[in-house]
Order: sequence, then structure tokens, then C-alpha cells
Amino acid sequence: DTEVTQTPKHLVMGMTNKKSLKCEQHMGHRAMYWYKQKAKKPPELMFVYSYEKLSINESVPSRFSPECPNSSLLNLHLHALQPEDSALYLCASSPMVGNTEAFFGQGTRLTVV
Amino acid sequence: AQSVTQLDSQVPVFEEAPVELRCNYSSSVSVYLFWYVQYPNQGLQLLLKYLSGSTLVKGINGFEAEFNKSQTSFHLRKPSVHISDTAEYFCAVGTTDSWGKFQFGAGTQVVVTP
Repeated sequence: DTEVTQTPKHLVMGMTNKKSLKCEQHMGHRAMYWYKQKAKKPPELMFVYSYEKLSINESVPSRFSPECPNSSLLNLHLHALQPEDSALYLCASSPMVGNTEAFFGQGTRLTVV
Repeated sequence: AQSVTQLDSQVPVFEEAPVELRCNYSSSVSVYLFWYVQYPNQGLQLLLKYLSGSTLVKGINGFEAEFNKSQTSFHLRKPSVHISDTAEYFCAVGTTDSWGKFQFGAGTQVVVTP
């Protein structure tokens, strides 16, 4: 299994809603990432988990809350989002945090209304 | 800190013609480099990577790239493109002093026409 699976593929939420994005990999990778990608732009790093511990937070607003319950799962909890948070949210994993490539999921297209 | 520049925002090319996508980086420490492709409404797929060793790296779908340390470049090439190569291409760089922080270029849109 060489896939990173993200659910849901599409999500529409109101500004008062609470929702979660889910990411799963079964490659035994110990580093997992969340990226945000706006249209026609490159991905922007949000969070990095290494061995289930948060190692990098790129000054992301607290309305985004990551969670890594185990080495295969990564969640992104969303609360009180703004319309400008609408974007493609990409999850990625790599064997470790280091000189190695990241494998990306297909992304969740989030629309905040 | 590292930075990466993709010099062309869009590259139109005819089917079966060669294509080169340019990528330049800036870093004061050792780098590792990647090219990713993104098809519409999809995630990123790794085309190839340079971590160390041979400076000419071959990837999937007939792509190759050459790491040039003196020119701080990592240009992507394909000798003959197909319609299916129409996509967005991202160069990414990581450095040994910022593990996990891949810096992506702005992207190059390749449009292949018959």
C-alpha cells in the first residue's frame, strides 16, 4: 500500500460549524504533514508531526487544530473558519523528517460559506 | 532559509516536442530537490528526486532532471511530451537545517497541444 488516503474529498461548512479532515497511511511512515493550497498557488506547510508529536506549526490560526492519534492517522479539526480558509487541504507522509520525499494524498476541497 | 524560483509560469508546447522546466534555488546549506506534478483537482505526485549522488536523475513518465550545484539549478526535461503531460509542475527544495520544511516554487503550468 503506497497511498495516502484523505476523507472527505469535498466538504462544505458554515462559519459556525465544527468539522474534521482525516488522513491515513499504512506505509509505516513516521512523519505526517498538513498543507493548504489555494487556487493557482503552491502548497503551504501548516503542520508537521514526527513520531506522533507536533514538531512544526507554521503559525497557523488556532481555528485549525491538528491531531495525530497514532502513527497511521492524522486529523485536522476545523472550527469557526472564515471564507478565506476555503482551499485544497493536502495531507502528506514521509518515512521520517529528513532528506526524503513526501507522498501526498488527493486532498480535501474545503469550501467555507 | 531556502528559496526556490520557477522561472516560467506557463509553458505551451506541442505534442511530441521536448520541454524544459526551469528551477533555481537559493540555500547556504546542502539541499535535496524534488519535482512534483499536479493534475487538476488532485494531489501532488512525485516525478523525481535528488538526494545525493549522481546529478542526473531519472523519474517516472520519461522525465529527467539535472542537479547543477554551481548554477543552483534543477531543471526538468522530457524529450517528447504527450497530451496527458498537461498539468502543473512544482519544484520543491528541502535543506539540512530545516528538516520537514519543503519549500515549493510557484509552479509551472504545462499546456500540451496537438
